[in-house]
Amino acid sequence: GAVVSQHPSRVICKSGTSVKIECRSLDFQATTMFWYRQFPKQSLMLMATSNEGSKATYEQGVEKDKFLINHASLTLSTLTVTSAHPEDSSFYICSARMGGSTEAFFGQGTRLTVV
Amino acid sequence: AQTVTQSQPEMSVQEAETVTLSCTYDTSENNYYLFWYKQPPSRQMILVIRQEAYKQQNATENRFSVNFQKAAKSFSLKISDSQLGDTAMYFCAFKSRKGGATNKLIFGTGTLLAVQP
Repeated sequence: GAVVSQHPSRVICKSGTSVKIECRSLDFQATTMFWYRQFPKQSLMLMATSNEGSKATYEQGVEKDKFLINHASLTLSTLTVTSAHPEDSSFYICSARMGGSTEAFFGQGTRLTVV
Repeated sequence: AQTVTQSQPEMSVQEAETVTLSCTYDTSENNYYLFWYKQPPSRQMILVIRQEAYKQQNATENRFSVNFQKAAKSFSLKISDSQLGDTAMYFCAFKSRKGGATNKLIFGTGTLLAVQP
């Protein structure tokens, strides 16, 4: 199957700083990318959907100014957590889908710890 | 709005035995997709099996098969000959056919399956 690479896999940052997470589709063009947040032993919560070259669509309750999503190319989307707080500590997962496809491929996830 | 319900938070099965994970969903649409994803301790989401609602035949992938009951809006996953590597969280998911590639997956709350040696 198609490969989605997410980087970094783990990151620790200080409270008040920003951290960027990258999601790359390695062998296909991802017209749509999805960003999820997952708390321990819970389901994936969709944060936003992004299409290449356009603004992301955020789910209700997700602060778009805090979680900046950029989908500048067909192979790369980034999630930037701005002014991170300890409550932002979580597992973040991206997935990517090519146009016309029903299947989404997932990255390995990023464990963010804000101290 | 569509919803997906997994009523079994945790399940346990002996190695080599068969286990069935339950999933029900609610939708007013006639055409859609259903999925089972596996999330092992590595946290990597892996597609296990997919079912298209317009297909009456139940999908099968090696030891994994589904029982798709469209009228009952039920989509259970059967794992035969369970292996230790099947230990994972399993998520049932729904995707509408409307809206194309931007359509999001709607996940259930998950079932944590433990395969005992």
